[in-house]
Amino acid sequence: KAGVTQTPRYLIKTRGQQVTLSCSPISGHRSVSWYQQTPGQGLQFLFEYFSETQRNKGNFPGRFSGRQFSNSRSEMNVSTLELGDSALYLCASSYGLGYTFGSGTRLTVV
Amino acid sequence: KNEVEQSPQNLTAQEGEFITINCSYSVGISALHWLQQHPGGGIVSLFMLSSGKKKHGRLIATINIQEKHSSLHITASHPRDSAVYICAVRRETSGSRLTFGEGTQLTVNP
Repeated sequence: KAGVTQTPRYLIKTRGQQVTLSCSPISGHRSVSWYQQTPGQGLQFLFEYFSETQRNKGNFPGRFSGRQFSNSRSEMNVSTLELGDSALYLCASSYGLGYTFGSGTRLTVV
Repeated sequence: KNEVEQSPQNLTAQEGEFITINCSYSVGISALHWLQQHPGGGIVSLFMLSSGKKKHGRLIATINIQEKHSSLHITASHPRDSAVYICAVRRETSGSRLTFGEGTQLTVNP
């Protein structure tokens, strides 16, 4: 069965721009969570969606937002990009207590 | 103090050695996960634990719920085991949100 698909894999953006990342979960998984990984802060929770509803949100500014569609695919959006937003963004789909992670999107802000 | 603490942060071993990575947490959890991350970023879920012990090949994971402590053991380590190992907990009251330890960078030399 297909894994979790994140697109794009790599992205370079300029400060002030906005970016949209996509995550397609494993078929049948209704929960999608997003994480940011940086060398300084490690892995941090961004938000979680379940059946198109945001169920949980981490401590990130309002520039970070997300949504989930009826087919469980999720997008996250970062507006007004800052240099500090450069990171690996990972999504995970879950069913019950287990998780499957995508390969991530590596975002570089210049 | 972080809710999830891992030790050691870095570990270098010779091929064949027995390796232990420790994880302590300070919150009530519904499950604890051991994750493996190779260079390039992709994360693989190794174990999900809510009690007791699990074994998969040369990897063994244990958890003591009363002491809020888990260990990941690698028997007969091999250079291909070189990776970052991350402990993550799913709190009882936080949906699918994971809280992560800082990770242990393991290097196994031939």
